[in-house]
Amino acid sequence: NAGVTQTPKFQVLKTGQSMTLQCAQDMNHNSMYWYRQDPGMGLRLIYYSASEGTTDKGEVPNGYNVSRLNKREFSLRLESAAPSQTSVYFCASSEAGWDYEQYFGPGTRLTVT
Amino acid sequence: QKEVEQNSGPLSVPEGAIASLNCTYSDRGSQSFFWYRQYSGKSPELIMSIYSNGDKEDGRFTAQLNKASQYVSLLIRDSQPSDSATYLCAVNSGGGADGLTFGKGTHLIIQP
Repeated sequence: NAGVTQTPKFQVLKTGQSMTLQCAQDMNHNSMYWYRQDPGMGLRLIYYSASEGTTDKGEVPNGYNVSRLNKREFSLRLESAAPSQTSVYFCASSEAGWDYEQYFGPGTRLTVT
Repeated sequence: QKEVEQNSGPLSVPEGAIASLNCTYSDRGSQSFFWYRQYSGKSPELIMSIYSNGDKEDGRFTAQLNKASQYVSLLIRDSQPSDSATYLCAVNSGGGADGLTFGKGTHLIIQP
């Protein structure tokens, strides 16, 4: 089992460009999450999907959109990248909901210039 | 705003000693608690989860939870240099957008 996979590993964008971060899990988990991690700020939730077909905003959703494509895949889209979105992005999944352990992907390091 | 507080460190512990990492949380209704280890440049890796008051042991790791004091800790016995990492405490306060709140982490250094 690969667990949670993310692509790409690294990305550099210019301000205003768009991109989609991909995430997939092979653990048959129902819930998936997108976090960003910034120095001194800790991990912050961007969006989550409690189950296939549902998505909800987290703590810092502005500037992002998500799609839960199927049970395995959950993508994060930046429509018009800004330097404030320079961060490390992690996808995670759990069996079902907040009481369950979350497992993280390897992350995407994004720089917006 | 629900808060999870950790001493940022660095916490320096000699090899073979017990490392003690602490975490306090603000929401008395919190229900589940997690410890993650994160090496520099890597993703968080789950170490322990704990849901009830008391101790939970897994190998060299022991998680301790005291809901009355709103306090959760992680003990690492026989510390090894490979335990040097940042340890993140995460608290579930009942779902929704606030669902899982992470502390900023404690940087642990095990000195050979």
